[in-house]
Amino acid sequence: DSGVTQTPKHLITATGQRVTLRCSPRSGDLSVYWYQQSLDQGLQFLIQYYNGEERAKGNILERFSAQQFPDLHSELNLSSLELGDSALYFCASSFGQGVDEQYFGPGTRLTVT
Amino acid sequence: QQQVKQSPQSLIVQKGGISIINCAYENTAFDYFPWYQQFPGKGPALLIAIRPDVSEKKEGRFTISFNKSAKQFSLHIMDSQPGDSATYFCAASWAGSARQLTFGSGTQLTVLP
Repeated sequence: DSGVTQTPKHLITATGQRVTLRCSPRSGDLSVYWYQQSLDQGLQFLIQYYNGEERAKGNILERFSAQQFPDLHSELNLSSLELGDSALYFCASSFGQGVDEQYFGPGTRLTVT
Repeated sequence: QQQVKQSPQSLIVQKGGISIINCAYENTAFDYFPWYQQFPGKGPALLIAIRPDVSEKKEGRFTISFNKSAKQFSLHIMDSQPGDSATYFCAASWAGSARQLTFGSGTQLTVLP
């Protein structure tokens, strides 16, 4: 158990809908990273927050957004969902400030039908 | 220039044998190289990591070998066990990109009993 929690574990929704994935980092960690894992694209970085501020963006679609709240939990919002958005979404956390180890949560499996 | 290339795609090893997975990178700014182990239905788990100031790091049966001039690094699993059967990902990051991880494509390891 990495100490990172993600909810829900599974999510099935229809095209065009909007969903919110939630992540709670390990106790004491300030950084949250979101990654997408799919068969064709592998594991890809989406976005990173540090202590409430966005720090880096990867290949994140404009239909996707995220935020980190004062209690350091983070939410990834996916809107106007397409079939191709079906994937595993992982959150990882790290302390930051030179401590680089990232610990991954169990993931949310999103299925868009 | 952000790519990390991983090989082989799949690997079958007998119990007690040595498993070797290789990765190559292009971005010379990368300065942190972790390996992750992922079991089906689980998130990636940090296994071992290395920085370029050392050529080798060993933790139990797992060893990373690092060749800075060749821009290559590899994971060696000694005395491989059936419980090691999983997908292994190499990754790389650097401070200038907020430590986002760039992952290899993964190696599916099967250790036969």
